[in-house]
Amino acid sequence: RKEVEQDPGPFNVPEGATVAFNCTYSNSASQSFFWYRQDCRKEPKLLMSVYSSGNEDGRFTAQLNRASQYISLLIRDSKLSDSATYLCVVSFSGTYKYIFGTGTRLKVLA
Amino acid sequence: NAGVMQNPRHLVRRRGQEARLRCSPMKGHSHVYWYRQLPEEGLKFMVYLQKENIIDESGMPKERFSAEFPKEGPSILRIQQVVRGDSAAYFCASSTPGAPYSFGPGTRLTVL
Repeated sequence: RKEVEQDPGPFNVPEGATVAFNCTYSNSASQSFFWYRQDCRKEPKLLMSVYSSGNEDGRFTAQLNRASQYISLLIRDSKLSDSATYLCVVSFSGTYKYIFGTGTRLKVLA
Repeated sequence: NAGVMQNPRHLVRRRGQEARLRCSPMKGHSHVYWYRQLPEEGLKFMVYLQKENIIDESGMPKERFSAEFPKEGPSILRIQQVVRGDSAAYFCASSTPGAPYSFGPGTRLTVL
């Protein structure tokens, strides 16, 4: 089983739609969680950290469910510019090493 | 404040040659990480370094690959005797302790 698993998609959604991605992780010792965004052939960029209490940044909401070992990302009112690959990232307690999922591809259609 | 810098951005090598990839972390960042991304795949951890120390190299292939982060100058990822399977994007990231990574633009290595 992979340490971090994501549905690769693609998710094709119309502009203005709400879309949600889930990511599961296998190691219950995981401590830090992030969503990164990667545009085609570019470097990953931090979208948001994910906290136990959940957090929101504008149209983006991230949730963590430790009991079921998954994190989620919700995007409201999708924009064309949201088209990208969204990477789920997990870091284990005591290490600075990040484990990346393979990403979920989102395409927002006009 | 300049971000993480990597050079070259594109590197072409023939089989058997050496590839040297350089990474300058963000100012004030003491931690450097190297990741490799194969086409249509996720980022795979290679090595984590601090100045003059390799902290975790569990993702480095046992042969041909080495990394350093000297007291002065950039971090270097060195691949000796490259093979076609080494063709990939190599990303460097840096951070302060406990903070999220910032990535450089990557070096795309093509082995002919």
